[in-house]
Order: sequence, then C-alpha cells, then structure tokens
Amino acid sequence: QLQLQESGPGLVKPSETLSLSCSVSGGSISSSSHYWDWIRQPPGKGLEWIGNIFYSGITYYNPSLKSRVTMSVDTSKNQFSLNLSSVTAADTALYYCARHTGRLNYFDSWGHGILVTVSS
Amino acid sequence: DIQMTQSPSSLSASVGDRVTITCRASQSIGSSVSWYQQKPGKAPNLLIYAASSLQSGVPSGFSGSGSGTDFTLTVSSLQVEDFATYYCQQTFNTPYTFGQGTKLEIK
Repeated sequence: QLQLQESGPGLVKPSETLSLSCSVSGGSISSSSHYWDWIRQPPGKGLEWIGNIFYSGITYYNPSLKSRVTMSVDTSKNQFSLNLSSVTAADTALYYCARHTGRLNYFDSWGHGILVTVSS
Repeated sequence: DIQMTQSPSSLSASVGDRVTITCRASQSIGSSVSWYQQKPGKAPNLLIYAASSLQSGVPSGFSGSGSGTDFTLTVSSLQVEDFATYYCQQTFNTPYTFGQGTKLEIK
C-alpha cells in the first residue's frame, strides 16, 4: 500500500522560503508511470495544483506560482521536495503531496497534508 | 487556464436520495476529468477518473459521465458516509485545475 508523508516546518515567516518534503513508502518514486505532485488548500477553501515532478527531474509548475516554486526529487531517499520562496500570508495552506498516474492523469494516492502558516 | 465551474456549491439531501453534481469546463477537455471526495480534516479521495471510470475500492453507487465540457457525478443512493465535499478536476492541460467544490449536507 503506497503511503506518502509530508514533513517540514509548520510556521514560516513572511518573505522566507517554505520547504517541504514528501516521503514515499510502499512503492518506488522511480516509477516511469507516475508523477509526484504538490497541491495546496487554504483553510476553508478549494484546491490549487502547485506542480509536479517526474523521477528524472522533469518538472511542471503552475504559472501562477512558477517564479517562486522549485521542486526536486531524491530517488535514493524515495522522496521529493517543494520550495516556495518569498512567502506571504496568502501562502498559508494545507499542503498535500500526491501520486499522479501519468497515462490517465489521476491523483490516486495523497499524503495526509501539512498545515503551513505564514506569520511573523 | 481551464476553468472548472462546479454546481451547486452546496446541496442538502437525505439518506437514500439520488444526487447529481455538475462540472462545466471553459473549453473542451475530452474525458480528462476526475472527481474527489473530501471529508473534514482528510485528504481528497479519488472516486472517478477519466470522466466515468470508478476507482478501485469506491462503492458502485458513485458514477461519472460526460465528455467535452459538461460532466456529472451521481450518487445513486446517499449513505451517511457520503456527506462530504466533492471536487472535480481537469487534467487535460496544465495547470490542472479544480472546481470550487460542492458541500453535500444532511437535510
């Protein structure tokens, strides 16, 4: 059973960089059939796709965040990461990592999510 | 970006009711739609992919239909555990986008 687990600081100061990791267990991040995505959800609001990464390092970012987002993958640790720079209060959200099956493009496994609050 | 307009935004229904949630895309997206259920404090859970394919383990009372710009999620007979928020998502083009959600409440 595939499991994903987000980790990182729950509080980030404005203008700093939010850094999260997602550890994958029960399956290989080096799968050629899957992408690894980040999605966020501000408290009480809807879902926003941030971007994804393939095990080879190919990335796709949401243009609305592209200038501030960097994703990376570490196949040796079976994990992938998200950096979001120059954060503001608008970046306060529950951040989810998820597995995305490439051929039919559906998100079939999600982490539990991690709440990140941007505040001084 | 492709906009996904979901309706209604909220819905009150009773156990045993049949309910339908609609999602309209701002352009034709083939069958590239997924539906998710989200309960409070939990991550979204995939119900339907490719517009009409039922994800493994999801009760058969859930079904999806549509293609092009108009899509529907139907719950044939509501159970207590089905009261949640539902989201559609298009994966035709990046950035992948979600509908604003439909909160299904007990009447």
